[in-house]
Amino acid sequence: EDQVTQSPEALRLQEGESSSLNCSYTVSGLRGLFWYRQDPGKGPEFLFTLYSAGEEKEKERLKATLTKKESFLHITAPKPEDSATYLCAVQARSGGSNYKLTFGKGTLLTVNP
Amino acid sequence: DSGVTQTPKHLITATGQRVTLRCSPRSGDLSVYWYQQSLDQGLQFLIQYYNGEERAKGNILERFSAQQFPDLHSELNLSSLELGDSALYFCASSVAGGNTDGKTKNIQYFGAGTRLSVL
Repeated sequence: EDQVTQSPEALRLQEGESSSLNCSYTVSGLRGLFWYRQDPGKGPEFLFTLYSAGEEKEKERLKATLTKKESFLHITAPKPEDSATYLCAVQARSGGSNYKLTFGKGTLLTVNP
Repeated sequence: DSGVTQTPKHLITATGQRVTLRCSPRSGDLSVYWYQQSLDQGLQFLIQYYNGEERAKGNILERFSAQQFPDLHSELNLSSLELGDSALYFCASSVAGGNTDGKTKNIQYFGAGTRLSVL
């Protein structure tokens, strides 16, 4: 069974204080790993998708990296508007439900001004 | 705006009742997914439709059913509602989900969700 574990559960940063979020996964053949941002009461917003170990993607203050067992979301010089829950999900390459996303429980990021 | 439209935004109903949630996918997307999000369980996959046909099932209760219509919109029907069914229900859509592959085609875009409260 595919599993995704995110850590920490919650992270509080000062504006400008860089840090990283972790996503560890177990999947029977990775089709893709996805990062989403979710604001309270809203739907997940797509950020990145990574497909193979060593791949990196960047968008503004966010950078996602992937290894064979985990992914990191690095946040450089965060701003208060980066406060949100960040969700990691994997999509398996094989199996009957091979297009579903298996999500972690998320990391709640709070950036204080 | 993801391009995925869900209605209604909020639903308040009583135990034992039946409700229908509606989802319109992004233009060009053939696959629709339904997810349930509760505080303790996180986002859980319920069911997937691709071009009108059921493609995969997750942890969907027998009291729940879904369908995808010829215009590709989808409905999730929840019946004999219980207090524990209170949650956020999200619909997502993607281009792929059938026999095609392709990296960007696998990206799922989510709607804003329907908040269901069962009293």
